[in-house]
Amino acid sequence: EAGVAQSPRYKIIEKRQSVAFWCNPISGHATLYWYQQILGQGPKLLIQFQNNGVVDDSQLPKDRFSAERLKGVDSTLKIQPAKLEDSAVYLCASSLGGQGSTDTQYFGPGTRLTVL
Amino acid sequence: KNEVEQSPQNLTAQEGEFITINCSYSVGISALHWLQQHPGGGIVSLFMLSSGKKKHGRLIATINIQEKHSSLHITASHPRDSAVYICAVRPGSNYQLIWGAGTKLIIKP
Repeated sequence: EAGVAQSPRYKIIEKRQSVAFWCNPISGHATLYWYQQILGQGPKLLIQFQNNGVVDDSQLPKDRFSAERLKGVDSTLKIQPAKLEDSAVYLCASSLGGQGSTDTQYFGPGTRLTVL
Repeated sequence: KNEVEQSPQNLTAQEGEFITINCSYSVGISALHWLQQHPGGGIVSLFMLSSGKKKHGRLIATINIQEKHSSLHITASHPRDSAVYICAVRPGSNYQLIWGAGTKLIIKP
């Protein structure tokens, strides 16, 4: 079974530039998560999708971050414009079940973003 | 105070030693996860617990719901076990995971 795919693996940009990350979840997984993990901290949930609908985006800085999951499969996370404090690893995860499920989340390798 | 506390924050041990990482939480939960993150790598789910004990190879996870405490044990530790181990809890069926800060484990040969 193929795992969660993410690209790119690494990205270096200057502040005020834009960047986009892509995630392809495990086939058949209804729920997709985007996390931000700053060095030395645990992951912070940015947004959760169930199929193509948003379940929780309460911690997403909506003035600069946006995410979509068209057709309920792949997802993109965009930052525009980036700030220095956005430097982090952006993790995508997926799980089989719907909202409220305690299913195991499967994580992608992450995208390491450095903002200069 | 964080809702999920892990200890120790950092642990260095010799190959072969028995390792214990602890996780305490302050909320009622429906499930607790132990995950492993290698440097530069993604996160791998090790266990999901709601009660009792689970074992997979050299890894053992236990949970005491009354005491709001879980432990992850590694027997016969090996350098490849070096990673960050993260505890995460789900407060209820409709709540998001709350993550601990992780325990950085280094096993020296």
